[in-house]
Amino acid sequence: DIQMTQSPSSLSASVGDRVTIPCRASQSISSYLNWYQQKPGKAPKLLISGASSLQSGVPSRFSGSGSGTDFTLTISSLQPEDFATYYCQQSYSIPYSFGQGTKLEIK
Amino acid sequence: QVQLQESGPGLVKPSQTLSLTCTVSGGSISSTGYYWNWIRQHPGKGLEWIGYIHYSGRTYYNPSLRSRVTLSVDTSKNQFSLKMTSVTAADTAVYYCVRGEGFEDLLYYFDYWGQGTLVTVSS
Repeated sequence: DIQMTQSPSSLSASVGDRVTIPCRASQSISSYLNWYQQKPGKAPKLLISGASSLQSGVPSRFSGSGSGTDFTLTISSLQPEDFATYYCQQSYSIPYSFGQGTKLEIK
Repeated sequence: QVQLQESGPGLVKPSQTLSLTCTVSGGSISSTGYYWNWIRQHPGKGLEWIGYIHYSGRTYYNPSLRSRVTLSVDTSKNQFSLKMTSVTAADTAVYYCVRGEGFEDLLYYFDYWGQGTLVTVSS
């Protein structure tokens, strides 16, 4: 099984900051990497698929990069509504697996 | 706009069977390229993929749960269902039904999620 690691588990930042959230796979997953945003009490929302493809309706301040085992989600200028938990997920092989999440908190 | 809605008991006794149904609206469960998933989230924890079913009846399960899980689909009702046997407190979680887009049984991503339903396993 492929293990997805997100570290740190939490991150403090301020509105307007540029933030990068890392994700590492235990083996190469090419670009089969997706990012989700989850707010308290809500279902996750797909932000980015295929490591770097922004979903329709997602603000352009979100971007994704990486391939192989190392990936990054970048938020170019944090907005108040971006404080949430972010999960990476591999779709390279079954069983599909998620990272433990990185909680983005207000500094 | 596709919508998914979970339904079923919120409380299940240990050793019994957890049963949930997901009703899909705004789109057909028989549409090509889509796979119907269950994903759970333990309280305050991360996400665990349980398995998926295609409208044809093909299924794939997480090996860690395969022995206890059965997925089924009812295309006439645009619904799919989860049954998990021999539940314990460790199965207490929010259960989401989720649409996955993919090709030839490989999923690309999970794009539409239900709101989730909390299932508590307790006597």
